[in-house]
Amino acid sequence: DAGVTQSPTHLIKTRGQQVTLRCSPKSGHDTVSWYQQALGQGPQFIFQYYEEEERQRGNFPDRFSGHQFPNYSSELNVNALLLGDSALYLCASSLERNTDTQYFGPGTRLTVL
Amino acid sequence: DAKTTQPTSMDCAEGRAANLPCNHSTISGNEYVYWYRQIHSQGPQYIIHGLKNNETNEMASLIITEDRKSSTLILPHATLRDTAVYYCIVRPYRDTGNQFYFGTGTSLTVIP
Repeated sequence: DAGVTQSPTHLIKTRGQQVTLRCSPKSGHDTVSWYQQALGQGPQFIFQYYEEEERQRGNFPDRFSGHQFPNYSSELNVNALLLGDSALYLCASSLERNTDTQYFGPGTRLTVL
Repeated sequence: DAKTTQPTSMDCAEGRAANLPCNHSTISGNEYVYWYRQIHSQGPQYIIHGLKNNETNEMASLIITEDRKSSTLILPHATLRDTAVYYCIVRPYRDTGNQFYFGTGTSLTVIP
C-alpha cells in the first residue's frame, strides 16, 4: 500500500517564475492538505482540498492556488515566486471523516534564486 | 496561531524514557491534544492524541493533567530512531474545518 507520494523531490526556480507541485494521497484517502515548512520552523497550513473544492485556507496570498482531481490527487501552484517561497512543501492526506490522523509525504524542496 | 508551548530542545539517553512536556493553558473543552513528530528529511508522523484520559498506543503514552492545561508525551524506551522534532498541537476533535498549527516543537536528541 503506497503512502503519500510527492513530486518532484527537489526543484530550483528563479524569482517571478511559476511552479507546480504534485501529490498523490494514500490509497483510500479523499482529503489533501498542503503545508509550507521554512527552515527551522514547523509546517504552516496553506489549504485543504476535499471533493475537488478548497475547503479551508491558511494565511497565504492568492499566488498560492491548488487543485484536486477526481482521483483525489492534488497540485499546488505558486505564481510570481519570491525568494521567501523557498521551503519544504508538504502534502498530507486523510479521510474526510477523520482528519485527525494525517499522513504526510516526504515533501518537495523548493529553492527560489 | 500556536496554542501550545514546548521546550526548544531535549536530550535523552538511549533506552531510557523520554518525557516531552507541553503547556496548553488556553485549551478549550472541545479541543484534543495531538502529537506528531518529524524525523529529519521526512514528513511529520502522527503519534497519538487524547482529550482528558491518559492514552497509550504502540508508539507512546500521553498523560494529560486533570485541568488539561498541560500534557506529557512519553516514549518508554527511547531509541536513536526516535531522534526527531516533536510537535504538540491542540485542535477540536474531528473538526474537518480546522487546520493543524504545528508551532516549532521540541527537538529531541537520543544519545547513545
